[in-house]
Amino acid sequence: KAGVTQTPRYLIKTRGQQVTLSCSPISGHRSVSWYQQTPGQGLQFLFEYFSETQRNKGNFPGRFSGRQFSNSRSEMNVSTLELGDSALYLCASSWSWGPNEQFFGPGTRLTVL
Amino acid sequence: GENVEQHPSTLSVQEGDSAVIKCTYSDSASNYFPWYKQELGKRPQLIIDIRSNVGEKKDQRIAVTLNKTAKHFSLHITETQPEDSAVYFCAASIRQGGSEKLVFGKGTKLTVNP
Repeated sequence: KAGVTQTPRYLIKTRGQQVTLSCSPISGHRSVSWYQQTPGQGLQFLFEYFSETQRNKGNFPGRFSGRQFSNSRSEMNVSTLELGDSALYLCASSWSWGPNEQFFGPGTRLTVL
Repeated sequence: GENVEQHPSTLSVQEGDSAVIKCTYSDSASNYFPWYKQELGKRPQLIIDIRSNVGEKKDQRIAVTLNKTAKHFSLHITETQPEDSAVYFCAASIRQGGSEKLVFGKGTKLTVNP
């Protein structure tokens, strides 16, 4: 099976712009979670989608949003980018929602100038 | 609360020695505790996980122990090798709004010196 893929792998944006990141889960996996990874902060949970519904949300401002399509692919959007949004954004897929093994993608490295 | 504390933040050992990383969690309802290994520039990968109905789990040189009463769990790596060098993250499932999410510790950078 192909692993979790994310596009693009690298992005450079300027403050105030918006960005959309994409995640394709492992075939058959219906849950996609998104995390922000920054040095010293580890992985911080953004949100989880299952069957096109957001099941859980982390403590991030409303500028961070996401969605999931019927084929389980997911996108996350960040509007009005701030310097502090520079991070590695990881998505992870699992066969179902809830506590089970998550398979991570390679991440999208976002740099905000 | 939803907090997972991980210690130490950095750990350096000699090849062949053992390494222990400890995590504590705050939600007594947590029931799933995975450990992920992230090598430099790569994605996190699950190395072992444990559920709350088990006190210990072992897979070759890696073991995880769970103390539900004290709300802490530990990763033990024996006979360390240079390829064990990586950042290790613990996580705990936290119940929130009818669903569950994983809350991660901030990571431990393990260096195994040849």
